[in-house]
Amino acid sequence: AQSVAQPEDQVNVAEGNPLTVKCTYSVSGNPYLFWYVQYPNRGLQFLLKYITGDNLVKGSYGFEAEFNKSQTSFHLKKPSALVSDSALYFCAVSPSGGYQKVTFGTGTKLQVIP
Amino acid sequence: DAGVIQSPRHEVTEMGQEVTLRCKPISGHDYLFWYRQTMMRGLELLIYFNNNVPIDDSGMPEDRFSAKMPNASFSTLKIQPSEPRDSAVYFCASMPGVGGTGELFFGEGSRLTVL
Repeated sequence: AQSVAQPEDQVNVAEGNPLTVKCTYSVSGNPYLFWYVQYPNRGLQFLLKYITGDNLVKGSYGFEAEFNKSQTSFHLKKPSALVSDSALYFCAVSPSGGYQKVTFGTGTKLQVIP
Repeated sequence: DAGVIQSPRHEVTEMGQEVTLRCKPISGHDYLFWYRQTMMRGLELLIYFNNNVPIDDSGMPEDRFSAKMPNASFSTLKIQPSEPRDSAVYFCASMPGVGGTGELFFGEGSRLTVL
């Protein structure tokens, strides 16, 4: 069975500082990896994905994530945090051979402090 | 495209009542998913359809829950009878088929409160 772990319930970072939201995964075969963001009272919005190729993927709003196969990790990063980045972030995984079955992590609340 | 459209956005009902949640997926998307979000259990996949056919309903909590997709542009999730523990936000999402790589497009959700 596939699974995703987001070890931090909340991450606090000062505005302008770099941010990292951690994610590790477990899946059979090659993974498809995703990050989604959820603002209060809204649905989840896609940020970025890793399918194959370059381990560093870039997405919306200046976010990027690095796929590390040996550590089975897919951490979300941004060089300089904005207050407007404050939201709930979800990591997700699916097997490449069955990409419809997406499993989400429990979410990490990002709080950017002015 | 207007995106995935869900209705109602909010529903308050009493225990024992029937609840029907509705979803219109993005036109051309072959897959439709129903998720439930709660503080305790996070985001759970309830059921998904491919070309209107239910593929995996292993996440449906119990027989009180049922989902249908009578055509490519409409799906319903029904709870009968509803119970307080069904209180949650229910999300519908759709996904392209051919050429798709797993990116889900979510609706805004239906917040259900069962008293």
